[in-house]
Order: sequence, then C-alpha cells, then structure tokens
Amino acid sequence: GAVVSQHPSWVICKSGTSVKIECRSLDFQATTMFWYRQFPKQSLMLMATSNEGSKATYEQGVEKDKFLINHASLTLSTLTVTSAHPEDSSFYICSARREPGGTDTQYFGPGTRLTVL
Amino acid sequence: QKEVEQNSGPLSVPEGAIASLNCTYSDRGSQSFFWYRQYSGKSPELIMFIYSNGDKEDGRFTAQLNKASQYVSLLIRDSQPSDSATYLCAPAVNEKLTFGTGTRLTIIP
Repeated sequence: GAVVSQHPSWVICKSGTSVKIECRSLDFQATTMFWYRQFPKQSLMLMATSNEGSKATYEQGVEKDKFLINHASLTLSTLTVTSAHPEDSSFYICSARREPGGTDTQYFGPGTRLTVL
Repeated sequence: QKEVEQNSGPLSVPEGAIASLNCTYSDRGSQSFFWYRQYSGKSPELIMFIYSNGDKEDGRFTAQLNKASQYVSLLIRDSQPSDSATYLCAPAVNEKLTFGTGTRLTIIP
C-alpha cells in the first residue's frame, strides 16, 4: 500500500510558541507533498505544495514566514507553525504523491490537530 | 460563487437504497474529478476519480461527469451504515485539488 504518517497526531501549545508537524511517506518516495488545513465544518484548504530540494509554493493568502515548510528528503516534509495563535488552531493534513503518478496517487496522512491556547 | 458547491446535507438514506451525491464546479480548466470520504475527525480517503464525460463504475460506487454542465456526481448503491460519512468532491487543476465543503450522508439501518 501507500502509507503516509503524521506526527504528532495532536498537539496543544501556548500562544506565541512554534510547533513542528512531520509528514512521512513510509513505503514510497514522494517528490511532492501537499499541506492542507481544515477548520471545523469547512473544506480542506490547500496551504502549500512542498517539493523535495526546493522552496515550497504557497497558496494565495498563506504567510510563508509563518508556516515554514521544509522538504528535506523524498520521504519527509515538515510544517512549522511559528508564533502560533489561537486562530491557527485547526486540523492540518498532509498528502504525498507517489511517483510516477498524478492526483490519483496522492495519499493523505491521518492529520494533526493543533490547539493553541 | 464558491469554486466547488455541494449540498451540505445531512442526506439520510435507508440502508440498501441508492445514495446520490452532487457537485458543481466553476473552474472549466478542471481536468480530473475526485470523490473522497471523510469520517469525523479523520483525514480524507479516496473513493474514486473520473477524467472523462460519462459514467465510471467501481464496485458499489458510480461517478458521473458532465463537463459541459460542470457537474459531477457520485452514486452509492446498496448503501451500508458504514457509508455514513462526509463526502468531498474535489476537482483538480494541474494536479491541485480544490475541495468542496462536503455532503454529510447518514445511512439509516
């Protein structure tokens, strides 16, 4: 199969601190990974596209200095929420695209629930 | 106008009946169309996808696409209680997915 893991599965932090979320493709290599955010009762919103070995591409309205993305290897991408505030509390979900392939080989991680106090 | 519109539901369907989920999209550049199922508190899981106009069947699921009408649907035959979830429609442009807010489906035993 194609398994994507995320760590941690949930995190609670104080306002002003930074939180790092890891996304790993466990049994395949992923040149491209995607980071989404989902607020309660809303749709998944694409935040950024993470490409191994290059800078991430952020969607309009997403602050790249606040949401730092590092895709250092073909199996790991990290999202760091810097100086987190309560409005950053959300469900963060990554997906990894297995190569060769397209959108149909995009596999989602289980998500990380972030609560900022 | 929202990019991807779905009836939020809830849609209640008796067990064994056909559930019909609809979706309209605004971006005519959408190249492929995906249906995901999301259980409460979980991440989405892919049910099926469709690229061409017409119907595509996969087990109990049938996706239908009409690009001229910018409409895509998902039919679930022989609905089971385990099908109770939120169903997300997601057109893709250049392999980027845009998700609708989903339709909450409840299968009544």
